[in-house]
Formats: sequence, C-alpha cells, structure tokens
Amino acid sequence: EVQLVESGGGLVKPGGSLRLSCAASGFSFSSFSMNWVRQAPGKGLEWVSCISSESRYKYYADSVKGRFTVSRDNAKNSLYLQMNSLRVEDTAVYYCVRESSSSSVDYWGQGTLVAVS
Amino acid sequence: EVVMSQSPLSLPVTLGQSASISCRSSQSLVFSDGNTYLSWFQQRPGQSPRRLIYKVSKRDSGVPDRFSGSGSGTDFTLKISRVEAEDVGVYYCMQGIEWPLTFGGGTKVEIK
Repeated sequence: EVQLVESGGGLVKPGGSLRLSCAASGFSFSSFSMNWVRQAPGKGLEWVSCISSESRYKYYADSVKGRFTVSRDNAKNSLYLQMNSLRVEDTAVYYCVRESSSSSVDYWGQGTLVAVS
Repeated sequence: EVVMSQSPLSLPVTLGQSASISCRSSQSLVFSDGNTYLSWFQQRPGQSPRRLIYKVSKRDSGVPDRFSGSGSGTDFTLKISRVEAEDVGVYYCMQGIEWPLTFGGGTKVEIK
C-alpha cells in the first residue's frame, strides 16, 4: 500500500523558515517524480514544486521560486521542502504527492499545516 | 500557464440523480504524444484529494463506475451517475501537459 506521511508543519512568523518532510513507503520511491501541492484554508489546490526521480529536474511555482527548495533522499525514501522567507500567504496545508506515469499525480499524503502569522 | 476553469461553483444534487461538472482549459491539453492529460480529483470533507480519472476518461482502481470522464481538446466533463451521499465533496480538474501543473477552482457537490 502506497503511504505518504508529511511532517514538519507548524506556526512560524513572517520571514521565518520551515522544513517539511515526507516519508514514503509501499512503492519504489526512487522511480517516481514527487510533488508538493498546497491548499490554503477554504481554498483550492495549488501546485508548488516537483522533483524528478534522481533530482535532475526541479520545478517551482512562480509564487515560491527563490524562496522554497525541494530535495529528496532516495536512500531514506524521503522528500523535503525547505521554505525560507515565509509569507502570510504561504499559510496552507502542504501535501506530498506522487507523480504518476500518465502526466498526472495519483497518491496524496494527509498533509501538514503551515501557518505563517 | 494553462488556466483551468470549472463550472458550476456549487452543484446541489438529489440522491440517485446525475451530476455533471464542466472543466475548460485555456489551451488544448493534447500532448505531442497524442494523449490528453486531464485528470479529475475528489476531495471529501476533511480528507486529502483522491484521483478518480486520468487521461480524460480512465478510471482509477477502486473508483465506482458511476464516475465517468469525457471530452477533448479544451472541454471536459465529469459525470456522476446515481449520486450517493458519499459523493459529497469538492471536485477538481487538473492539466498535466506542461509546468506548472494547474487545477480548476473546484466544484462543490452537495445533496439537496
């Protein structure tokens, strides 16, 4: 069974930093690209970042470019999101999401809440 | 970026009746490989999103056949036949042909 478990969320002041982690299990983590998608309270879904299976390619939404850094450790089956210079508008639940082979995303974690205030 | 638009915003449905959600993209979602990369997700209250449909009409494993996807180019539809109480939630479409991945604004399905 595919499982994605996020951690590292919390309350942080504007300008602060936070590092999110996602522990993956139940599939060959090193074979899949991985994404972060966020959802502000009561709002829709916003894609944040993607990293390819061997970390060769990294993509970011314009809203986080230059402030957030995605990384992974395939030996630990883990995905990370380093978030710096946090803004109030970064407040959201952050989901770790697996990319499927059909140019889509399939499995989602339960999410971790980041509150910037 | 590809802009995804959904309608309606809210969809009250009677149990057992059908519901249709429309999704439009600002450009064609047909990729150079001939595939059309449009997916649908369901988010029940308090839960993470769950994928229902990918490549316009392919249902994910375990998704009831009451859910069906159709469309082409820039116009797509998710149909829920015989709506059940467990179908309440917000539905999102998403395009996968280019970065950034973009989602529609969501359609809230509720029971009348």
